[in-house]
Amino acid sequence: NAGVTQTPKFQVLKTGQSMTLQCAQDMNHEYMSWYRQDPGMGLRLIHYSVGAGITDQGEVPNGYNVSRSTTEDFPLRLLSAAPSQTSVYFCASTSMNFAEQFFGPGTRLTVL
Amino acid sequence: QQQVKQSPQSLIVQKGGIPIINCAYENTAFDYFPWYQQFPGKGPALLIAIRPDVSEKKEGRFTISFNKSAKQFSLHIMDSQPGDSATYFCAASNSAGGTSYGKLTFGQGTILTVHP
Repeated sequence: NAGVTQTPKFQVLKTGQSMTLQCAQDMNHEYMSWYRQDPGMGLRLIHYSVGAGITDQGEVPNGYNVSRSTTEDFPLRLLSAAPSQTSVYFCASTSMNFAEQFFGPGTRLTVL
Repeated sequence: QQQVKQSPQSLIVQKGGIPIINCAYENTAFDYFPWYQQFPGKGPALLIAIRPDVSEKKEGRFTISFNKSAKQFSLHIMDSQPGDSATYFCAASNSAGGTSYGKLTFGQGTILTVHP
C-alpha cells in the first residue's frame, strides 16, 4: 500500500493563477480531508468528504474548491491564488470505523 | 468556534528528561483526543490517543493524562531521546454520528528538542 500520496511536493504560483493539488489513497477509506499548516496555527481543516460525491466545508474553506468523484481521489483546487494561501497543504484519510487519520507527505505552496 | 489551545510553543530538554505538553479545549462534545508527531518534511502521524472514559493512557514511553472536569489533557514523554525531537500536535474531535473522526481540531503545535 502506498497510503496517502500527494502531488506536487513543491509549487510556486503567481497571484491569480489557478492550480490543483492532487491527493490519492489506496486504503479504501471513506473519509478524506484537506488541511493547511501555518507556523503557530497548527493544522486547519479546509474541506472534507465522507464519501464519493459528498463534500463539505471545514474551518477555512474560502478560496478553495474540492470534488470527490471516486473513493480514491480528493483534489483541492485553487481558482485564483493569493499570497495568503502560501502554506503547506496536507491531505488525510480515515476509515469511518477507525479513528486514526493517515496523512500524506504534504505540498509546499508559495504564492508570489 | 471550536478551539484547542496548546502550550508551550517550544520546549528544550536534555536526554532522559520528561517533557510535558499541555492542551485545553472548550467544546464539551469532544470525545476523542489524539496526539500527532511530525518530523520535518513529513506529514503528521498518530502517536497516541485517549477517550474521556479514562484518565490516563500509556503506550511505551508516551503517556496521555486527561482531566475531563478541567477540559485539559497532556502528553508526557518518559526518558526522552534525541530521536523524539519533532513537532507535537494535540487534537480533538466529536465522533457523534460516526462521521466526525476526520474533522480534527488541532492545537498550535509544540516544537520539542531533546539534546543528547
